[in-house]
Order: sequence, then structure tokens, then C-alpha cells
Amino acid sequence: GEDVEQSLFLSVREGDSSVINCTYTDSSSTYLYWYKQEPGAGLQLLTYIFSNMDMKQDQRLTVLLNKKDKHLSLRIADTQTGDSAIYFCAESSYSSASKIIFGSGTRLSIRP
Amino acid sequence: DVKVTQSSRYLVKRTGEKVFLECVQDMDHENMFWYRQDPGLGLRLIYFSYDVKMKEKGDIPEGYSVSREKKERFSLILESASTNQTSMYLCASSPKNPGQGTYNEQFFGPGTRLTVL
Repeated sequence: GEDVEQSLFLSVREGDSSVINCTYTDSSSTYLYWYKQEPGAGLQLLTYIFSNMDMKQDQRLTVLLNKKDKHLSLRIADTQTGDSAIYFCAESSYSSASKIIFGSGTRLSIRP
Repeated sequence: DVKVTQSSRYLVKRTGEKVFLECVQDMDHENMFWYRQDPGLGLRLIYFSYDVKMKEKGDIPEGYSVSREKKERFSLILESASTNQTSMYLCASSPKNPGQGTYNEQFFGPGTRLTVL
């Protein structure tokens, strides 16, 4: 079945850029998402990209999609302490647009 | 402001008890989902529902059942709680399948951390 994989932890220095990577297996993925989960809260959609795009930028966030390699990344520029959270990569496909497959989540910690 | 609420933030139950987790959304969404979140395993789908009285099994339905009697409410039931069901449970909702070419955001509740002793 479909699978989404990402590393579990990332630590960056405040002010540096954070890059969180993700790979997925479903070649029919139509949308790929990044969700953010802050401590004690549910997930919230951070950004998404359509599968026919290779880049999307939204303020400090840049999403890169390499469809050939099924690789998605999220870059956070000028990382702040408020960016500390778990970031989930996710995908949905035409065949089941209402269902979203989530990765294991990457815990981003910021050091001073 | 869109909202998904869950009945409890923290719950402690004993092995063998019947446990009800309630989820309510105020966005008139057709779709509702129950996930469990465990460290290193991410979110795993337990059950989902596309409409009132309709339910479908997710990836890990064993030991769980659900009920959707009203559009805004989706309940998760642990018929006989076991220690391996200790976890964070997240409810989510989303609009009806928007069709091809449209992304579909899921809105999450804050979660219920269940401990089974």
C-alpha cells in the first residue's frame, strides 16, 4: 500500500534554515501536504503542493517536489523558537481524495 | 472559526472497561476520521465515515468500533480496553470529496490522551 516516510528528529540553530525531507511511494499522488502539530494540539495544515508543481513558496516556507524521485521537502527559513513542533508529510490521490496518508512526523527542535 | 472538539483531553481507564471517545465538528463536514498517534508510527487511521450512519475501516480497526448517528458527531468505542490501546487519539473532519484536482484539508481536534491501566 501507500507509504510516506520521514526522519524522526531534526535539530537546528535559531536563525538557520530547517529542511525536513519526506519520501512517498504512491505514484498517483495528486496533492502533498505538510501539517504542523504544536505541543498539546492537533495537526494543522501548514502548506500543500499539487503534484504537477515542483516548487511552492509561502513567506518563510518553501516546498520542493521531485516527482520522479517521489521526494518532498519543506524548508523553513530563519527558524524561530515558535517553529518547534512535529511536522507531518502527507499525500492524497485521485482514487481516494478524502483519505490522507500521513508520515511518521519529524520533531523539529530549535537550539539557541 | 472552524472547530473540532473532543470530549476529553486526558482519560484513564482500566483494562476491560468500555470506553467512549466523542468528537464534534461545527463545520457541516461530511467526512470524519479517527486516528491514533504513537511515537515513531505517526498517524494511523482507525475508522472513517463519509456520511451519517456510514463507516469504513481504516488501517487498524481491530478492537475498535464507531458510531455516526448525527452529521456533526463521530464516536470511537473501545469495547474492552486493553493496555496496547494506550495512545493519543485524534479526530478530524473534512468536506465532502471535492473531486479530482482539488486539495482536501482535514481539520483536527486537540486529541485525547488515553491511558489504559
